[in-house]
Amino acid sequence: AQTVTQSQPEMSVQEAETVTLSCTYDTSESDYYLFWYKQPPSRQMILVIRQEAYKQQNATENRFSVNFQKAAKSFSLKISDSQLGDAAMYFCALRGRFGAGTRLTVKP
Amino acid sequence: DTAVSQTPKYLVTQMGNDKSIKCEQNLGHDTMYWYKQDSKKFLKIMFSYNNKELIINETVPNRFSPKSPDKAHLNLHINSLELGDSAVYFCASSQADRGNGYTFGSGTRLTVV
Repeated sequence: AQTVTQSQPEMSVQEAETVTLSCTYDTSESDYYLFWYKQPPSRQMILVIRQEAYKQQNATENRFSVNFQKAAKSFSLKISDSQLGDAAMYFCALRGRFGAGTRLTVKP
Repeated sequence: DTAVSQTPKYLVTQMGNDKSIKCEQNLGHDTMYWYKQDSKKFLKIMFSYNNKELIINETVPNRFSPKSPDKAHLNLHINSLELGDSAVYFCASSQADRGNGYTFGSGTRLTVV
């Protein structure tokens, strides 16, 4: 079975700065998708970015990018130019399974 | 047009009661999920159905029973509710062979008193 691990329960970043959230996973499959989701206080789950495992190029969506290291089974999320609205819980996901989440605080 | 709708949004009930949460998706997805999110925000997968077939059945009490009458619906029935069942329950759907991710419902906050 797949497992997803997020080892940072909480992270903090200054507004306009950059922060990286970590995620590692385990799977025996060679082709799969990885996702980062954001959950603001409204509790709605919002897809931030996705990565297909057989694509070597790291995915980018505006201020959000990933560092995907397939051999190391690592999938980190980088948020550039952090904004107050980025404050939320962030979850990494693989095959329906989610990590424990990282609570991101953005300081003005 | 809500893509994944679950009802009710809030549910307060007494210990020992039986309750159901309904979920419907209009996205044509072939896979549906139930998750439990506790007070620490941990999102635990409970069940997953693909085309009405149970494919993920995590270790949850057998008081929880999913029912999928068709691939657009996945309901969750809970018997003999306990205080520890209090949580937010999310329904989600996805298309298994695409990488579009999971579309979530808005959640059902269950409070057992």
